[in-house]
Amino acid sequence: AQSVSQHNHHVILSEAASLELGCNYSYGGTVNLFWYVQYPGQHLQLLLKYFSGDPLVKGIKGFEAEFIKSKFSFNLRKPSVQWSDTAEYFCAVKYNAGNMLTFGGGTRLMVKP
Amino acid sequence: DADVTQTPRNRITKTGKRIMLECSQTKGHDRMYWYRQDPGLGLRLIYYSFDVKDINKGEISDGYSVSRQAQAKFSLSLESAIPNQTALYFCATRETGGANTGELFFGEGSRLTVL
Repeated sequence: AQSVSQHNHHVILSEAASLELGCNYSYGGTVNLFWYVQYPGQHLQLLLKYFSGDPLVKGIKGFEAEFIKSKFSFNLRKPSVQWSDTAEYFCAVKYNAGNMLTFGGGTRLMVKP
Repeated sequence: DADVTQTPRNRITKTGKRIMLECSQTKGHDRMYWYRQDPGLGLRLIYYSFDVKDINKGEISDGYSVSRQAQAKFSLSLESAIPNQTALYFCATRETGGANTGELFFGEGSRLTVL
């Protein structure tokens, strides 16, 4: 079965620290990749997406992610986090052979001021 | 106004009661989805619909049913609610056609508690 793994369930950082959240997916051919963010009490919003081209994708609010096909990974990064980045982050994969997104379990990020 | 609207936003009910969660969208998308979110499990797909006449089960459809009343409306029902259906439920839409990249657009969520 197709699956998406986010290895870090909870991450606590101080402001200005660098962030990297891991995401790995099971093999399933061509994929579209997404990172969504859910701020406290809000719905999921798209941070960035990859579907072709440059494997380094830049999103909103200074986030970026790199698609490494050989490692089946799509890790999310930000050089310097802010308190307002406190949220839950979800990686999601759409396999081109399928019709829906498969989500990872989410990573809760807390940024201390 | 939100493009994807869910009602109610919060609901507390008792075991055995029938509950309906409603979703309406103004994005004009054909595809609509119902997910539930549980801590540590991410989002899991309950049902999805590609148009009014096309309804499909997701990975956790047992105990749920849906109705696609119109292109813009997709409701989720729990015929007889049980405590392990306590969760946050999200409706989402997706574009079809050449511009489709698989991106989902989510509603604000409906928090359901079954006592």
